Amino acid sequence: KQEVTQIPAALSVPEGENLVLNCSFTDSAIYNLQWFRQDPGKGLTSLLLIQSSQREQTSGRLNASLDKSSGRSTLYIAASQPGDSATYLCAGVYGQNFVFGPGTRLSVLP
Amino acid sequence: NAGVTQTPKFQVLKTGQSMTLQCAQDMNHEYMSWYRQDPGMGLRLIHYSVGAGITDQGEVPNGYNVSRSTTEDFPLRLLSAAPSQTSVYFCASSYGTGIIYEQYFGPGTRLTVT
Repeated sequence: KQEVTQIPAALSVPEGENLVLNCSFTDSAIYNLQWFRQDPGKGLTSLLLIQSSQREQTSGRLNASLDKSSGRSTLYIAASQPGDSATYLCAGVYGQNFVFGPGTRLSVLP
Repeated sequence: NAGVTQTPKFQVLKTGQSMTLQCAQDMNHEYMSWYRQDPGMGLRLIHYSVGAGITDQGEVPNGYNVSRSTTEDFPLRLLSAAPSQTSVYFCASSYGTGIIYEQYFGPGTRLTVT
């Protein structure tokens, strides 16, 4: 069964820190991997999509990497800000099926 | 460009009632999907569609019906609501069909069944 896990479940950091969020998947036959942000009571906002032929993607202070052989993806956030506080979800794309992780709840303290 | 829109935002139903959650997108995406999000369970796929007239079941399809008569619309029907269907429902769309690429999500519908 295809499963996606995320560690840690929650993270609290002071403003300005660089941080890494982890996403692991059991089935390496992944096509793409997408990272999302979800604010409380809101929908999901797409952050980055990494296609299986790529190893990483960057957008502003965000950098996501994908290592299919180890079954891992990481989301790196540089110089964190209080506005980055949200839940971050990763989703593995297997053909027409998205498999979501449970999310990491991030709090960035001023 | 409104993206993915969902109505209603909130709904309260009594057990046994039926209703339709509406979803529309204006990006000409072929792929559309419905998820439910529950605390501790994450997002789970209910049904999806790869184009008008084509739908398929996801992980948790029981108690839900879908149809896709146009590219833009993908309504989700609850046939006879049960308290276990209390959840937040999200609709999403993407420009892939065989392999799905970046998904865009609507704002969600918060449903309570009493």
